Amino acid sequence: QVQLQESGPGLVKPSETLSLTCTISGGSIRPYYWSWIRQPPGKGLEWIGHMYFTGGREYSPSLRSRVTMALDLSKNQFTLNLDSVTAADTAIYYCARHGLHTSDHHDPWGLGTLVTVSS
Amino acid sequence: SYVVTQPPSLSVAPGETARITCGEINSRSQTVHWYQQRPGQAPAVVIHHDSDRPSGIPERISGSNSDNSATLTISGVEAGDEADYYCQVWDSTSDHRVFGGGTRLTVL
Repeated sequence: QVQLQESGPGLVKPSETLSLTCTISGGSIRPYYWSWIRQPPGKGLEWIGHMYFTGGREYSPSLRSRVTMALDLSKNQFTLNLDSVTAADTAIYYCARHGLHTSDHHDPWGLGTLVTVSS
Repeated sequence: SYVVTQPPSLSVAPGETARITCGEINSRSQTVHWYQQRPGQAPAVVIHHDSDRPSGIPERISGSNSDNSATLTISGVEAGDEADYYCQVWDSTSDHRVFGGGTRLTVL
């Protein structure tokens, strides 16, 4: 059974870069799509972007200028970098797999990791 | 940008039927998925592709999609159904995903 685990610093200073890693166990990155999704405390879900195992990617228009995602097939990892963070980027960050088609649902999800932006 | 609307809250007595809507879905979205998020947990899919149930989801949870609106129906509501529910669509013109704002289901 595929399991996802997010990891990274729990505290990031304003204006710095948030870097997270999603480690995939029990399955392969191929041939799926992979997403990062976040949830500010007490608020709803926000899609950040996704990647396909071939390297294709799409980012949310509201975050596109600050987001970089990458897949490492050799390490079975999916990474997120978010530049120039502010307090508004404080959230639980989830990685999730979709199916074989970009329209497919997210399943499974990682447990999520809370990132707080504060000096 | 593409916005999908959900009622922020819904309260239902045990045993009654809860219907959560996901509105203003346009023709660019070919299908709707629904997620349940219990407090302190990650979301989990309960309905995908409008009306398909993953294994382990009871038959009393169902989904439908027509006339630019999708509905998640939970029949015979139980205390364990109390959670936040999110719809999610895929915008075929941009290849982006959009979540509804979420509906908090309270079991009275």
